[in-house]
Amino acid sequence: GAGVSQSPSNKVTEKGKDVELRCDPISGHTALYWYRQSLGQGLEFLIYFQGNSAPDKSGLPSDRFSAERTGGSVSTLTIQRTQQEDSAVYLCASSLGQRGADTQYFGPGTRLTVL
Amino acid sequence: AQSVTQLGSHVSVSEGALVLLRCNYSSSVPPYLFWYVQYPNQGLQLLLKYTSAATLVKGINGFEAEFKKSETSFHLTKPSAHMRDAAEYFCAVSSDTGRRALTFGSGTRLQVQP
Repeated sequence: GAGVSQSPSNKVTEKGKDVELRCDPISGHTALYWYRQSLGQGLEFLIYFQGNSAPDKSGLPSDRFSAERTGGSVSTLTIQRTQQEDSAVYLCASSLGQRGADTQYFGPGTRLTVL
Repeated sequence: AQSVTQLGSHVSVSEGALVLLRCNYSSSVPPYLFWYVQYPNQGLQLLLKYTSAATLVKGINGFEAEFKKSETSFHLTKPSAHMRDAAEYFCAVSSDTGRRALTFGSGTRLQVQP
């Protein structure tokens, strides 16, 4: 079956512009996660959605970052007024349920470059 | 709070040699432990996971890992390295309390020499 998909695969933007990154999880998966992978910080958790519950936003680095998940499926991560330190690969993952043991399946990522 | 330490950011082995990638974790609650592999310009792929059943876990591509509670370790091994195993490997921890997201180690890049 289809895996997690993300778009765009690459995004180059200028400092100060807003960007939107999209994630399509595996059909039927109730949990969705966003992570960021950068050279200096490794793999960091950003935000977690589980069903209709309030998202866990505890990993968002600043209020310039936000995310939503519409209809319990597709998610969009928005970064406002991008800064050079936002340059990273943004990874989305989904899992069938909310147990810690549930496997998270990752998409290929969106590489964001802020000039 | 949970954390993961991967000793050795780079490991180089010869083709056919034993692969040993080290992972130690810290968790105040029973952990679930994962190893993921990342090939160049790709996302993360699950190799194997420990979920409190058998302590010796077998995964894909001939990899296995043993959960040792007394040593707080979950080292990844493979008896004989192949060129195709060259990639970056990440150890991660999660639990059923608090944040459900994975907490990752800093990764180990495996090089396989012919």
